[in-house]
Amino acid sequence: EADIYQTPRYLVIGTGKKITLECSQTMGHDKMYWYQQDPGMELHLIHYSYGVNSTEKGDLSSESTVSRIRTEHFPLTLESARPSHTSQYLCASSEYLSTEAFFGQGTRLTVV
Amino acid sequence: TQLLEQSPQFLSIQEGENLTVYCNSSSVFSSLQWYRQEPGEGPVLLVTVVTGGEVKKLKRLTFQFGDARKDSSLHITAAQTGDTGLYLCAGPPSGYALNFGKGTSLLVTP
Repeated sequence: EADIYQTPRYLVIGTGKKITLECSQTMGHDKMYWYQQDPGMELHLIHYSYGVNSTEKGDLSSESTVSRIRTEHFPLTLESARPSHTSQYLCASSEYLSTEAFFGQGTRLTVV
Repeated sequence: TQLLEQSPQFLSIQEGENLTVYCNSSSVFSSLQWYRQEPGEGPVLLVTVVTGGEVKKLKRLTFQFGDARKDSSLHITAAQTGDTGLYLCAGPPSGYALNFGKGTSLLVTP
């Protein structure tokens, strides 16, 4: 079954560490997204990509960076994690002419 | 940013009851989507409504898109405990991604 996978599911790290959140999809979707979700708040778009070598920042300012070297892979990197980065990070993908999004299970990040 | 306001924010009901949750905006959307999110999981798409006045049914769930395409509602008939979750509405402001509302957290108790 086609799907979208995020690893790790949970991560607790110390301040100042570099981390990469992984996201892979097997649906061949061109568009991929990263959203940030805090309790009681709406999902905020932090990065998106239309395809290979295409990355754009979303509406919510973020200190993270992303890359899109392969269609199926859209990792998110934090060079130096801070407690303010503690949140749930959701990866999603959609077909090029659609906004219907398929989400991964999310990574819950805690920076201590 | 085209904001989506959802109400109520929280809803607790018993099995068998009916309920309606709302999604409102001051902006016109080309389409609106409804997702359900369970704790610890990502949102799952339930339906997309595209045409003003459109009504779509998914088993016990009925979705309606307002005539002016600024609002939508989700009605659940005879709620079950399996309906528990966070219901999110979302719309594409410019076609490249989705804006989400804060959601309605629904708890259905036996």
